[in-house]
Amino acid sequence: NAGVMQNPRHLVRRRGQEARLRCSPMKGHSHVYWYRQLPEEGLKFMVYLQKENIIDESGMPKERFSAEFPKEGPSILRIQQVVRGDSAAYFCASSPHSNEKLFFGSGTQLSVL
Amino acid sequence: SQQGEEDPQALSIQEGENATMNCSYKTSINNLQWYRQNSGRGLVHLILIRSNEREKHSGRLRVTLDTSKKSSSLLITASRAADTASYFCATEGLGNEKLTFGTGTRLTIIP
Repeated sequence: NAGVMQNPRHLVRRRGQEARLRCSPMKGHSHVYWYRQLPEEGLKFMVYLQKENIIDESGMPKERFSAEFPKEGPSILRIQQVVRGDSAAYFCASSPHSNEKLFFGSGTQLSVL
Repeated sequence: SQQGEEDPQALSIQEGENATMNCSYKTSINNLQWYRQNSGRGLVHLILIRSNEREKHSGRLRVTLDTSKKSSSLLITASRAADTASYFCATEGLGNEKLTFGTGTRLTIIP
């Protein structure tokens, strides 16, 4: 049973471009969470999704950011018109149920030039 | 506002000594969890303690939870160089299924 898979591992974008980050949860996990981490800081919650539904997006910026978790395929975190402040490590985690431990991917390091 | 705050922010100890990290939080919780993060890597789950539990053990780890003080501690006994990492507490609030992470403690074990 493979762990949570995130790709790409590193992503470089110029200001104004779009960034698409992918996350495949562990097999059998229907709960997906996205977090952002700046250097030397903790993880900041962004969004919580179950299959085809956004459950909690209270941590998502109102503009430029969106997330989906379709019936088939990976969860996608999409950042439009990236700015330098979007540079960070983005981590995805999954769990089979709520009130359980999370399994994290290795993250995507986004660098905006 | 930040739910979990770890204390200390950084800790350096000699190999073989015990390491204690503390976490305080603000609102009522379903459970509290501790995670470890090695530099540049994802987080690894260490232990989960539910709101009706007071203490839990896993190998060299011991976690306590005091819901009246809204605090938890993580004790690592007989530390090893491989324990060098950042440690985060995370809380799941009542009726709130997301985990909120603290700012972390950077632990360095000196060989």
